[in-house]
Amino acid sequence: EADIYQTPRYLVIGTGKKITLECSQTMGHDKMYWYQQDPGMELHLIHYSYGVNSTEKGDLSSESTVSRIRTEHFPLTLESARPSHTSQYLCASSSGEGLADTQYFGPGTRLTVL
Amino acid sequence: AQKVTQAQTEISVVEKEDVTLDCVYETRDTTYYLFWYKQPPSGELVFLIRRNSFDEQNEISGRYSWNFQKSTSSFNFTITASQVVDSAVYFCALSETGSARQLTFGSGTQLTVLP
Repeated sequence: EADIYQTPRYLVIGTGKKITLECSQTMGHDKMYWYQQDPGMELHLIHYSYGVNSTEKGDLSSESTVSRIRTEHFPLTLESARPSHTSQYLCASSSGEGLADTQYFGPGTRLTVL
Repeated sequence: AQKVTQAQTEISVVEKEDVTLDCVYETRDTTYYLFWYKQPPSGELVFLIRRNSFDEQNEISGRYSWNFQKSTSSFNFTITASQVVDSAVYFCALSETGSARQLTFGSGTQLTVLP
């Protein structure tokens, strides 16, 4: 099981602020992912990375950006937060076993933009 | 078209009842994997099981069991003698060839177990 950490767990912030959601894993996994989850429960992939210096956009268009400078770290940044960004953000990582690849998730960040 | 369908949006049972969560998937691949995750109120997704398309044996782990039937493209999850701590959202997911994102999730089933 992966050890994957997200900070902060909860964030309430005003419109227009720049925020960075942190995600770190200690398992040396190559692949990392960001999902957005609204109260309607469905998970939407917004970003993923196959390794250092690799980032791709997911299925759901997002105004956020990500970076992958170190294997263990995959932060997500919103340059100017808006109320529409209010959601839960889940980070995940996996070791890359092809189809058998199992994603392990962090505890999530609940973001509220006022 | 939905690749992973969890038709039951919400299920409510009384403690000690058995409950089955349905998952129907769609793929053209012969090799694929299916997963179940649990999301308790605390928010994190917890991995429960992974099953490959060549293994149709049912799996049992304590009170949990999974029934995989390729003929009906289903991978259903049963909780026996449910407990209040089983209350969570449960997600089924599919991993198939050609999907760079790897996992396609269903929309989840909210299970509430009442005392």
